[in-house]
Amino acid sequence: AQTVTQSQPEMSVQEAETVTLSCTYDTSESDYYLFWYKQPPSRQMILVIRQEAYKQQNATENRFSVNFQKAAKSFSLKISDSQLGDAAMYFCAYRSFLTSGTYKYIFGTGTRLKVLA
Amino acid sequence: DTGVSQDPRHKITKRGQNVTFRCDPISEHNRLYWYRQTLGQGPEFLTYFQNEAQLEKSRLLSDRFSAERPKGSFSTLEIQRTEQGDSAMYLCASSILYRDYTFGSGTRLTVV
Repeated sequence: AQTVTQSQPEMSVQEAETVTLSCTYDTSESDYYLFWYKQPPSRQMILVIRQEAYKQQNATENRFSVNFQKAAKSFSLKISDSQLGDAAMYFCAYRSFLTSGTYKYIFGTGTRLKVLA
Repeated sequence: DTGVSQDPRHKITKRGQNVTFRCDPISEHNRLYWYRQTLGQGPEFLTYFQNEAQLEKSRLLSDRFSAERPKGSFSTLEIQRTEQGDSAMYLCASSILYRDYTFGSGTRLTVV
């Protein structure tokens, strides 16, 4: 069974600085997808960034980038030029296929990011 | 596209009562999912519908839980004889084919 571990319950960053959130996972599959989701106080889970395991290049979306280390099963999120609106819970997730032909997400326990003005 | 809508936003109920939540997915999405998120945890998968058919059920979905999606449109999640351990946020999401989910804002259940 796949597992996702986030070992940082809370992180703080100064506005305009850079912060890195850590995530490790375990799987026996060779091809898979990893995600970072943001959950602000509004509670809706918002997709931040996606990484396909067969792609060696790290994904980037504007100020958000990942460091994907497949052999180490590590998937960290780097937020550059942090903004007050980045404050939220961040969840790392693994996409696991189901026998019915769809998929589910396996989420970590989350990291609460505080952005200090 | 008005997103995934969930109602109510917050529900407080007494232990032993029945509660029902509603989820309205994005209209063209034929796949609908329910997740449960307890305090300090990430969301956990409960069940999956493709159109009106319930194709997956997690072991987390005890006999007191039932979900429906009549006509493949909105879905309801009912919890009978609520227990304090049912206190959580219940998230609904929808998707089409293998595209990423769109999540709703959840229903927060408090059992007192």
